[in-house]
Amino acid sequence: GIQVEQSPPDLILQEGANSTLRCNFSDSVNNLQWFHQNPWGQLINLFYIPSGTKQNGRLSATTVATERYSLLYISSSQTTDSGVYFCAVINSGGYQKVTFGTGTKLQVIP
Amino acid sequence: DTEVTQTPKHLVMGMTNKKSLKCEQHMGHRAMYWYKQKAKKPPELMFVYSYEKLSINESVPSRFSPECPNSSLLNLHLHALQPEDSALYLCASSPGRTGNTIYFGEGSWLTVV
Repeated sequence: GIQVEQSPPDLILQEGANSTLRCNFSDSVNNLQWFHQNPWGQLINLFYIPSGTKQNGRLSATTVATERYSLLYISSSQTTDSGVYFCAVINSGGYQKVTFGTGTKLQVIP
Repeated sequence: DTEVTQTPKHLVMGMTNKKSLKCEQHMGHRAMYWYKQKAKKPPELMFVYSYEKLSINESVPSRFSPECPNSSLLNLHLHALQPEDSALYLCASSPGRTGNTIYFGEGSWLTVV
């Protein structure tokens, strides 16, 4: 099956700093989403971005489907950004089968 | 409304108990999912229902039994579980066509004692 690797696995930032999270996938995909999992376990949709670039406030994401990677940018980080960030993909041959990446655990300290 | 509702939020059960987790969505979505997540790991797919029919079973043990009574509801029946089945169980839904956003519920924290 498709492999989805995220880097870095852990990240500690000072409040106000910027960061880039990366998601690499091993096969072509129809769907790519970024999620933020809060400490209570809820997965919050950040972006649906199978290709191109999107921005939402301090967050933006870019997917280069032909090179099989996606990037999530967090600017001016806040303590509420802490948690685990996952990318999740559905590969082109795998209708409805969503595969999650390995995750990046982010801690933003004051 | 982009809400997927799961009940209960927390469940403690013995290894001989029978219990159920419930999931509901009113977005008209035709695909619904169960995921299992262990601590410090990504969610792992268990089951997918498409148009109320089981379309994917990721070789899940039979002590987990899914049910889709109608297009809005998804249940996970639990029987004779083991302590290692303790995890966060996440339900999700999507419109049912490849290339659409998937929405997750808040999850049910299950502890098997």
